[in-house]
Amino acid sequence: DVKVTQSSRYLVKRTGEKVFLECVQDMDHENMFWYRQDPGLGLRLIYFSYDVKMKEKGDIPEGYSVSREKKERFSLILESASTNQTSMYLCATMGGGQRHYGYTFGSGTRLTVV
Amino acid sequence: AQTVTQSQPEMSVQEAETVTLSCTYDTSESNYYLFWYKQPPSRQMILVIRQEAYKQQNATENRFSVNFQKAAKSFSLKISDSQLGDTAMYFCAFMNAGNMLTFGGGTRLMVKP
Repeated sequence: DVKVTQSSRYLVKRTGEKVFLECVQDMDHENMFWYRQDPGLGLRLIYFSYDVKMKEKGDIPEGYSVSREKKERFSLILESASTNQTSMYLCATMGGGQRHYGYTFGSGTRLTVV
Repeated sequence: AQTVTQSQPEMSVQEAETVTLSCTYDTSESNYYLFWYKQPPSRQMILVIRQEAYKQQNATENRFSVNFQKAAKSFSLKISDSQLGDTAMYFCAFMNAGNMLTFGGGTRLMVKP
């Protein structure tokens, strides 16, 4: 089975800090995604990547950036954390040509910005 | 852009009974997938069932089945013989031709003993 590992389950950061959320997958999937999950809003796409060093904006990219230097790792960066970025962050992957299987998700990082 | 709507924020069902979760979506595409994901308290998103838009037959996975009405853009999930382990958030999701998943707001399901 594909494993998608998010480095932290819970994280507390201060306003203005630079925050890195890490996601690592072990099945050579081309596609990787970052979502944030908020009550009543479901999951919203922040950024995604089809390949190494490639990145595309999702629906809510403001205040975020990403990095994909290696195929297995996709990092979400909060340049200057704000309280409205308190949320659950989910990483997901999908193999090329495997849309039938949907996405495989990590177990999420609950980020609190104080 | 696609939108996915789950009109029931919360639902409850007695153990062993049947419950149906609603989902509607809006799209102009013809080639797409629909999914239901389950998120238990552990937070791990689990794929429950999928439906390919070009298939008329409704998908079934054990106790889980869907009612896919393409013309009405409706994709409901039926859970039969509900079990305590079915307690979770359920998300309906639409995958477009570009492989992007758009999620509904979720339905919190509580199975009562």
